[in-house]
Amino acid sequence: QKEVEQNSGPLSVPEGAIASLNCTYSDRGSQSFFWYRQYSGKSPELIMSIYSNGDKEDGRFTAQLNKASQYVSLLIRDSQPSDSATYLCAVTTKLAGGTSYGKLTFGQGTILTVHP
Amino acid sequence: DTGVSQNPRHKITKRGQNVTFRCDPISEHNRLYWYRQTLGQGPEFLTYFQNEAQLEKSRLLSDRFSAERPKGSFSTLEIQRTEQGDSAMYLCASFGDTEKYGYTFGSGTRLTVV
Repeated sequence: QKEVEQNSGPLSVPEGAIASLNCTYSDRGSQSFFWYRQYSGKSPELIMSIYSNGDKEDGRFTAQLNKASQYVSLLIRDSQPSDSATYLCAVTTKLAGGTSYGKLTFGQGTILTVHP
Repeated sequence: DTGVSQNPRHKITKRGQNVTFRCDPISEHNRLYWYRQTLGQGPEFLTYFQNEAQLEKSRLLSDRFSAERPKGSFSTLEIQRTEQGDSAMYLCASFGDTEKYGYTFGSGTRLTVV
């Protein structure tokens, strides 16, 4: 089992629709969760971070975390063609001492295409 | 300081040659990470530093790979005797003690081994 798995893509949605991206993780010690967007040929760009169970909203983006189910998702409302990219889910765990973080572990990414 | 800087952006090398990449993190960030990404995959962890100390290395980091961060500022990643399978994007990320901003990635170095 991979440490971080994302729903297989590619995902195609029409402009204005809601895009839903899902991610599961295997390490119950994971404490911080990130969604990155990566355009082709570019480096990952942080769009959302979430640390507590529940929803976190930022503009058109909503991240949802359920630690009991080891599940994190990203919703993109009113999808735009400029949202077309690969979305990467990443998790990390605080080191002993609780003040700093170890490595990020990424999923394989989900390609999203928003068509006009 | 505008972010994480990586050089060169692109590198084409012949199989068997050595290559070195450089990463300059955000100045106040004490943690620096190296990742490798191949087409269609997420970034894979290679190694990370806290200040000048190398705290973890992935088993992906064979003995042909070496990374340093001599003064706790910039870092270098060297690949000796390159192989075609080393062709990938090599990403550097830095992280401070404020979790709010997450890990910031540089633009990456794309290596092509011919």
